[in-house]
Amino acid sequence: DAGVTQSPTHLIKTRGQQVTLRCSPKSGHDTVSWYQQALGQGPQFIFQYYEEEERQRGNFPDRFSGHQFPNYSSELNVNALLLGDSALYLCASSLLGELGQPQHFGDGTRLSIL
Amino acid sequence: AQSVTQPDIHITVSEGASLELRCNYSYGATPYLFWYVQSPGQGLQLLLKYFSGDTLVQGIKGFEAEFKRSQSSFNLRKPSVHWSDAAEYFCAVDPNAGNNRKLIWGLGTSLAVNP
Repeated sequence: DAGVTQSPTHLIKTRGQQVTLRCSPKSGHDTVSWYQQALGQGPQFIFQYYEEEERQRGNFPDRFSGHQFPNYSSELNVNALLLGDSALYLCASSLLGELGQPQHFGDGTRLSIL
Repeated sequence: AQSVTQPDIHITVSEGASLELRCNYSYGATPYLFWYVQSPGQGLQLLLKYFSGDTLVQGIKGFEAEFKRSQSSFNLRKPSVHWSDAAEYFCAVDPNAGNNRKLIWGLGTSLAVNP
């Protein structure tokens, strides 16, 4: 039973570029959440997708956008990259309707902005 | 505002010693609480969770946590620490009564284990 998988593992970009990160949820899960974790910090919620719609959004600018596909996988897109976007980006999946069920996390994508 | 506080940024213990990591939350309703562990370069692994019922919950890797409503705390404990427990530990709250929306996280506690 595959867990949450993210790609790529590492990525280096320059300021102003655009990036797409990918996530495949754990088998049987239908909801995907994205978090940003800066060095030495806890994760910060970016947004959550369910049934291909953005269900909830954290305090992130519109440069951060996402998508969920019919197979429940998801992408996180960041435009006009800033140095401050350097972080570990974590994807978490869960099953909506299962009250209180924990989110399962992937190993993350380490994004470095030069 | 809802928040999670982990007062200890860094803790060092000797292998075999007991461990307690503190977590305090600010939240009005029944909390759904979690402890996750993150090893270097890895994602977050769930150690244990609390929703209701018995206030002492058991988790994986020999960890347990106790929910104390009067103190708004959910402290993580382990009787005897192993060198492999060295990692970053995060306390998190689901502020939506378990409806599985966003999680609110503490800043984490970094655990070092001396041989």
